Amino acid sequence: DADVTQTPRNRITKTGKRIMLECSQTKGHDRMYWYRQDPGLGLRLIYYSFDVKDINKGEISDGYSVSRQAQAKFSLSLESAIPNQTALYFCATSDGPTDTQYFGPGTRLTVL
Amino acid sequence: DAKTTQPNSMESNEEEPVHLPCNHSTISGTDYIHWYRQLPSQGPEYVIHGLTSNVNNRMASLAIAEDRKSSTLILHRATLRDAAVYYCILRDFNAGGTSYGKLTFGQGTILTVHP
Repeated sequence: DADVTQTPRNRITKTGKRIMLECSQTKGHDRMYWYRQDPGLGLRLIYYSFDVKDINKGEISDGYSVSRQAQAKFSLSLESAIPNQTALYFCATSDGPTDTQYFGPGTRLTVL
Repeated sequence: DAKTTQPNSMESNEEEPVHLPCNHSTISGTDYIHWYRQLPSQGPEYVIHGLTSNVNNRMASLAIAEDRKSSTLILHRATLRDAAVYYCILRDFNAGGTSYGKLTFGQGTILTVHP
């Protein structure tokens, strides 16, 4: 079984809809991250969490919110989706000492 | 964070060694050199990292220049499965710093492996 899972893997939605992307991990890591990837722009950090009570904005947090429900779960929400949020979204986890990040398989989101 | 420069693309033949270069002339003393790769339709995957000395693991080797202004990721025998985008990333490991958790991905090098 994969250590980092993301649901759904693909989602098509309409402008204005609320969307939640979910991430679960079985690695026992405290740190979790959400990134988005757009063609030609690489990966950009949206939010990160170093433990259940610690949530931090990344470089592109506008239009997004997160919830860290438990050590193993970190959700990303788009309160009112817009077309330029169409992208590939990745969740990642890391341990503390080396901070090597382990990525999930990604969620492809299309906002029409 | 200090920036890195990588070639946009490289090509190799299967079972031949591949040397992927990375320039980081503004690297600071506390920057670790990390390499990740992203296979098609997958999330990025950690490859290797180092500070000053050359490093080896089951996936690759990392050769770091003596002045640390450049490094090279070495795949000893490329396979078709190694075709991916390879990212060279500098990470400041000052404990407690706000940049500690961030991986800043650039454009990377697209590696094509020919059968």
